[in-house]
Amino acid sequence: GESVGLHLPTLSVQEGDNSIINCAYSNSASDYFIWYKQESGKGPQFIIDIRSNMDKRQGQRVTVLLNKTVKHLSLQIAATQPGDSAVYFCAENMPNAGKSTFGDGTTLTVKP
Amino acid sequence: DTGVSQNPRHKITKRGQNVTFRCDPISEHNRLYWYRQTLGQGPEFLTYFQNEAQLEKSRLLSDRFSAERPKGSFSTLEIQRTEQGDSAMYLCASSAGGGLGSYNEQFFGPGTRLTVL
Repeated sequence: GESVGLHLPTLSVQEGDNSIINCAYSNSASDYFIWYKQESGKGPQFIIDIRSNMDKRQGQRVTVLLNKTVKHLSLQIAATQPGDSAVYFCAENMPNAGKSTFGDGTTLTVKP
Repeated sequence: DTGVSQNPRHKITKRGQNVTFRCDPISEHNRLYWYRQTLGQGPEFLTYFQNEAQLEKSRLLSDRFSAERPKGSFSTLEIQRTEQGDSAMYLCASSAGGGLGSYNEQFFGPGTRLTVL
């Protein structure tokens, strides 16, 4: 079946560096892509989303890039902080489907 | 706190017992979702409601699982005759509703961790 997947299960960066978390998706019909952050013992927290007719969207310290040609999604975190340490999931939504389909997550560790 | 709340936060039960979880969504949200998450995996969709109507159920939702949202506010998820494979985190999320099936940002609760012995 079709699913959303992440390239790397773990990523370790130095505090202050930029982080890039990648996700490959297979469903070209998805119309929204979402990044979530999940800290230990908590539910996923929305970070940023992007509609399929866009290729870039920026938030506060975060940027999401969408490359529909190669079905690739990335989350860039600028000046990574210890509080950014968490598991990051990408998710996709199909048109006319309220549910989200999640990938398996990348664990980001920020070293002081 | 006006976020999504779930109760209980933890539940330990013996195989074969029934369990029920409750989710209280953000008050103005008319959509409510249930997901299941096992260790190291992303959440898997189980079912969702728009107001009282259950609009979609995953094939993961076997006959032992039932969800309700009788008044369009809180929801309950019941698992009958629990099995060890049901051990997981059960997450609830809510969102505002747009057109049928349209995307809106989902807000997740802290989850209920179920352990079946």
